[in-house]
Amino acid sequence: QKEVEQNSGPLSVPEGAIASLNCTYSDRGSQSFFWYRQYSGKSPELIMFIYSNGDKEDGRFTAQLNKASQYVSLLIRDSQPSDSATYLCAVNDAGKSTFGDGTTLTVKP
Amino acid sequence: EPEVTQTPSHQVTQMGQEVILRCVPISNHLYFYWYRQILGQKVEFLVSFYNNEISEKSEIFDDQFSVERPDGSNFTLKIRSTKLEDSAMYFCASRDSNVNTEAFFGQGTRLTVV
Repeated sequence: QKEVEQNSGPLSVPEGAIASLNCTYSDRGSQSFFWYRQYSGKSPELIMFIYSNGDKEDGRFTAQLNKASQYVSLLIRDSQPSDSATYLCAVNDAGKSTFGDGTTLTVKP
Repeated sequence: EPEVTQTPSHQVTQMGQEVILRCVPISNHLYFYWYRQILGQKVEFLVSFYNNEISEKSEIFDDQFSVERPDGSNFTLKIRSTKLEDSAMYFCASRDSNVNTEAFFGQGTRLTVV
């Protein structure tokens, strides 16, 4: 069974710090990887996706992918209290996404 | 901005009753999905639908579940005889012609079975 594991939370960082969220996956053939943010009771909201090894930056967010290590991460720079949410890692296999349990991030003012 | 819309936002039903959850995917999208999330648990894949047929389904998607795209715009999930453990958020998602692109999620239907 294909698995997606995220670092256990909750994760708490002070405002302005860098938050680092990690995810590993079991299926070496996975092609695309997504980070979603989910607020309590709401639907997942896409933050970033990445297909290729290396880094991909979008504003304060950087996704990193290492296919050899089957590892994907999300860095949030200059964390804000509004970033407090659960972050979901999802691994895509021919359209079907397998989600991790999520890591809950709290950014303290 | 195009979005996936789901109705109703909240459905309460008695155990054993049938429910239909409705979704309108983004208009030019070709792949459609249902996921569910039991409170406090991970988002779980239920079923994918392409070209008017199921392309993949999970172990959760047993005979009591069915999906349909009745009129070319709506995409429905039917649960024939609801059980208490079907209580969850149900999310519809759609993506365009590239299966490796991001899926766009609707706001979800909270199903409560009493």
